[in-house]
Amino acid sequence: GAVVSQHPSRVICKSGTSVKIECRSLDFQATTMFWYRQFPKQSLMLMATSNEGSKATYEQGVEKDKFLINHASLTLSTLTVTSAHPEDSSFYICSAFLAGVGQYFGPGTRLTVL
Amino acid sequence: EDKVVQSPLSLVVHEGDTVTLNCSYEVTNFRSLLWYKQEKKAPTFLFMLTSSGIEKKSGRLSSILDKKELFSILNITATQTGDSAVYLCAVGGGNKLVFGAGTILRVKS
Repeated sequence: GAVVSQHPSRVICKSGTSVKIECRSLDFQATTMFWYRQFPKQSLMLMATSNEGSKATYEQGVEKDKFLINHASLTLSTLTVTSAHPEDSSFYICSAFLAGVGQYFGPGTRLTVL
Repeated sequence: EDKVVQSPLSLVVHEGDTVTLNCSYEVTNFRSLLWYKQEKKAPTFLFMLTSSGIEKKSGRLSSILDKKELFSILNITATQTGDSAVYLCAVGGGNKLVFGAGTILRVKS
């Protein structure tokens, strides 16, 4: 089946720093990728839709200047959490859309901001 | 506003029991309904349903969709401790998925 990777799997950073998370589709091209956030014991919340070659579409309440998304190629999307604060600590998951099949999820990145 | 509601929120059963998880939805431009299993990492895909009344099966798991009643069920027969997880239902309208809150299933040995 289709494989999506994320890097890093876990990151701990100091408050005020920026963190970049990469999402790659390894064996297929994805014109659309999605970024989700999941807080403990809660479901996945869609943050934004990442479209190759164009600007990301953010969900209501998600700050686009804080969560920068770049979909540079058909196999890579990046999420940068800028000026991270402890409340940004969460599990971030990306998915890549494969037409006719659906979304395949990456393994997730656990971000802890101290 | 698109909405996906799962029930029950949590469930504790004994090994060997059969469980039924429920998912109801209200979305515009329905394309598909998906079931995922989530343990400690990201969700893993179980089923994608697009047509009413056609059961999909994979081992002890099966699922069916009722597009008239806007409802799907996920059945797990002869449950095992390895089935303990959060089961997520998601409904796709276009490319986007709207997730339900999930059902936490715990299977006791």
